[in-house]
Amino acid sequence: NAGVTQTPKFQVLKTGQSMTLQCAQDMNHNSMYWYRQDPGMGLRLIYYSASEGTTDKGEVPNGYNVSRLNKREFSLRLESAAPSQTSVYFCASSPQTADRGYTFGSGTRLTVV
Amino acid sequence: QKEVEQNSGPLSVPEGAIASLNCTYSDRVSQSFFWYRQYSGKSPELIMSIYSNGDKEDGRFTAQLNKASQYVSLLIRDSQPSDSATYLCAVNKLSFGAGTTVTVRA
Repeated sequence: NAGVTQTPKFQVLKTGQSMTLQCAQDMNHNSMYWYRQDPGMGLRLIYYSASEGTTDKGEVPNGYNVSRLNKREFSLRLESAAPSQTSVYFCASSPQTADRGYTFGSGTRLTVV
Repeated sequence: QKEVEQNSGPLSVPEGAIASLNCTYSDRVSQSFFWYRQYSGKSPELIMSIYSNGDKEDGRFTAQLNKASQYVSLLIRDSQPSDSATYLCAVNKLSFGAGTTVTVRA
């Protein structure tokens, strides 16, 4: 059981470069999420997809785009990376039922120099 | 005001003691509440969910919810060194607190 798989685990980008973070889940979950985690600030929601074919902005969407490619995959794209986007990024998924909470991926540690 | 507030800690407790963590939230109509444990360098993992006022127990963990006062708490009984982690409170799945770091000293 892989659960939620994120790639890559580590990445260093130069300011202005672009990249896509990949996320896939094999639990047949309807909802998927992208969070960033910074020291002292907890998890902040970037974008989420309540179901296949829908995406919505979270608390900190500026500088990011997402694609819900199919039910399994939800990618996060940085079009022009900035040092302020240095963070640990977590993908998560959940069923639509409220009592199950999230399953998180292992995270991507991104540094923008 | 942040939607979900937690004391950042660190909270240091001796082995075998009870660790008490608190979380307050601002959205009065919130319906679902979660506690996650996050070890250093790892991803969060769900340990408790609670929806109704009162207590919910699961092993050494007890979650307490008081919607009138808008707080949810987590008690860890018989704390073990393996409980040393950051505990994140989440409200309505989408909003997380900054976390409380717990250190259990042997």
